Amino acid sequence: DAMVIQNPRYQVTQFGKPVTLSCSQTLNHNVMYWYQQKSSQAPKLLFHYYDKDFNNEADTPDNFQSRRPNTSFCFLDIRSPGLGDAAMYLCATSEVHQPQHFGDGTRLSIL
Amino acid sequence: AQSVTQLDSHVSVSEGTPVLLRCNYSSSYSPSLFWYVQHPNKGLQLLLKYTSAATLVKGINGFEAEFKKSETSFHLTKPSAHMSDAAEYFCVVRPNTGGFKTIFGAGTRLFVKA
Repeated sequence: DAMVIQNPRYQVTQFGKPVTLSCSQTLNHNVMYWYQQKSSQAPKLLFHYYDKDFNNEADTPDNFQSRRPNTSFCFLDIRSPGLGDAAMYLCATSEVHQPQHFGDGTRLSIL
Repeated sequence: AQSVTQLDSHVSVSEGTPVLLRCNYSSSYSPSLFWYVQHPNKGLQLLLKYTSAATLVKGINGFEAEFKKSETSFHLTKPSAHMSDAAEYFCVVRPNTGGFKTIFGAGTRLFVKA
């Protein structure tokens, strides 16, 4: 009954090699979010989509991009990963003004 | 300005004893408040939410929280800790301004001793 599904759970990439993380949902929620969470820290919002409307946080690096081809799927693209981008990446969904539902995350390692 | 302060970075209790995780917030607007739990290598799971209805909110797994406007607090409690409660807990504020911004506290790590 997984509702927010993130693939893969663990991703290893090389320094500077583009990587894509994926998120899908079965909840049909309007809003999808991407968070970055580093060890022992709170999640940090990178951006969100309200339907097709993309909203970038002011301090999200240009290295991070996102795509939402349809309601169910959302992708996080990291164009040139640096060592500082190693983290857990969490996808979440919600209806407007409702609590967020989180996936189990993708742990990204950079070699 | 909006902010969330979780007053303890770590809390340690013995199994079967009460749990208290403290959260204070600051919000210019009437907020919605949430508590989430995160187990290792997992996403965040919603425990409970306050959205301007009853001030005492009951959640899953025996947790509850009380919204106290005069104290700007939303502390999380449980009468009797279980080993499976050991996790990271986040207090989250969403100002009801019509946007999507949510503000996370820094988190409280709960340890439960046998």
